[in-house]
Amino acid sequence: SAVISQKPSRDICQRGTSLTIQCQVDSQVTMMFWYRQQPGQSLTLIATANQGSEATYESGFVIDKFPISRPNLTFSTLTVSNMSPEDSSIYLCSVYKVTPGLAYNEQFFGPGTRLTVL
Amino acid sequence: AQSVTQLGSHVSVSEGALVLLRCNYSSSVPPYLFWYVQYPNQGLQLLLKYTSAATLVKGINGFEAEFKKSETSFHLTKPSAHMSDAAEYFCAVSVTTSGTYKYIFGTGTRLKVLA
Repeated sequence: SAVISQKPSRDICQRGTSLTIQCQVDSQVTMMFWYRQQPGQSLTLIATANQGSEATYESGFVIDKFPISRPNLTFSTLTVSNMSPEDSSIYLCSVYKVTPGLAYNEQFFGPGTRLTVL
Repeated sequence: AQSVTQLGSHVSVSEGALVLLRCNYSSSVPPYLFWYVQYPNQGLQLLLKYTSAATLVKGINGFEAEFKKSETSFHLTKPSAHMSDAAEYFCAVSVTTSGTYKYIFGTGTRLKVLA
């Protein structure tokens, strides 16, 4: 398994400011992901955080709005830039861990960061 | 393209009654399917997973799901609901496209358990 922690767990921010969310994993992992869960909705993948290269963004998400860093195999950050009330969501970090001998991928999720933008 | 559809955004059952949460998938290759639970103000927790080893999969907290290829379904069931089962449940499929891996989530089903 993988134990994932996120900081902060929640925050209330003013419009126009930026917030950086940290994700720490207790072991080295190949892939890290950032998801957004808007109120009452499912999870939407924002991007895949790649170690040593730029993140891969999904359609509808851009690096200027959601810059991501991944300096090593256990840590990543997501910044929500120039925030507006529409950015109020839960942001979840997730990791993909390869299990030797198994054909499927096991994905683990952090507890999430609950962001409210006023 | 691979996807999952969850029928019913809200399901209410009485305590002790059968829980049935529906998930249908679309996949051109044998899928890997998952059910996750999200309790209020918490992250996602894996309930169970289908990886082609067995069609009936048992998970935590008394939940199980049956993979039915003919119906392209992976419905989640529990014989007797408990108040603590009240949560949001997500079905997901694992997708690998051009070497890139990701999960596709369903829209979720909020389970309410009535006393």
